[in-house]
Amino acid sequence: EPEVTQTPSHQVTQMGQEVILRCVPISNHLYFYWYRQILGQKVEFLVSFYNNEISEKSEIFDDQFSVERPDGSNFTLKIRSTKLEDSAMYFCASSIQGNRREQFFGPGTRLTVL
Amino acid sequence: GDSVVQTEGQVLPSEGDSLIVNCSYETTQYPSLFWYVQYPGEGPQLHLKAMKANDKGRNKGFEAMYRKETTSFHLEKDSVQESDSAVYFCALSCPMDTGRRALTFGSGTRLQVQP
Repeated sequence: EPEVTQTPSHQVTQMGQEVILRCVPISNHLYFYWYRQILGQKVEFLVSFYNNEISEKSEIFDDQFSVERPDGSNFTLKIRSTKLEDSAMYFCASSIQGNRREQFFGPGTRLTVL
Repeated sequence: GDSVVQTEGQVLPSEGDSLIVNCSYETTQYPSLFWYVQYPGEGPQLHLKAMKANDKGRNKGFEAMYRKETTSFHLEKDSVQESDSAVYFCALSCPMDTGRRALTFGSGTRLQVQP
C-alpha cells in the first residue's frame, strides 16, 4: 500500500539554525500539507500546497516558514531560524484530487530545538 | 473560525466495555467529518469518515453518526479491545467549493483499554 514517507525521523538543531524537513507524498496525490503537533497537544494545520503554490496557510505559518516541491517527488518544509517553540512533531500529508477529502499522513519528523 | 471539541484527556474502559467518545463541531460550512487514530510513534491514520448528514462511518466495530442537528460526530463501540488503545482525534474539513483543504482537529482522546 502506498504511503507518505518523511525524513529524518528526528532532527536536533540549535536555536537560530535553519532546518529542512523532507516528505515524499503518495505518488498520484496532488495536494500536500504540513501539520505540526506540539507534545501532548492537538494536530495543527500549517500549510497546504497545490499546483506548485501555497493554497492555504494558518497564522502559525509565518515568514520563517517556507515550502517547496523541488522535484516531482519531494515536498519540503524549511524553517529559516528555529526557535525553542518550534520543537514539535511535523507531519506531512497528501490527498488525491477530487471529492475524496481523506488526507494520508506520514510518520512525522520530531524536531528538537535546543 | 472552525473548531472541534471532543472528550478531553484519557478514557480507561475495561476490555468488553462499551465506549462513547464525544465530538462536537462548529463551522459555518457543511463539513466532512473524520475520526483519525494515532498509535505511538506514528502519524494520524484515517479511522472512519462521514461526508454528509446522517451518514454513518464504520471501521473495526467503531461507528460514528454525522448528526447535523446537534453538530456532533460521537465515536462509539459496543465492546472495546486492548488493541483499540490509541489516541483518537475528531476532525472536520470544509466543502470543496470553499477552496479550503485544512483539517481542523480536536484535542485528542487517549483510549487506554484495561485488560
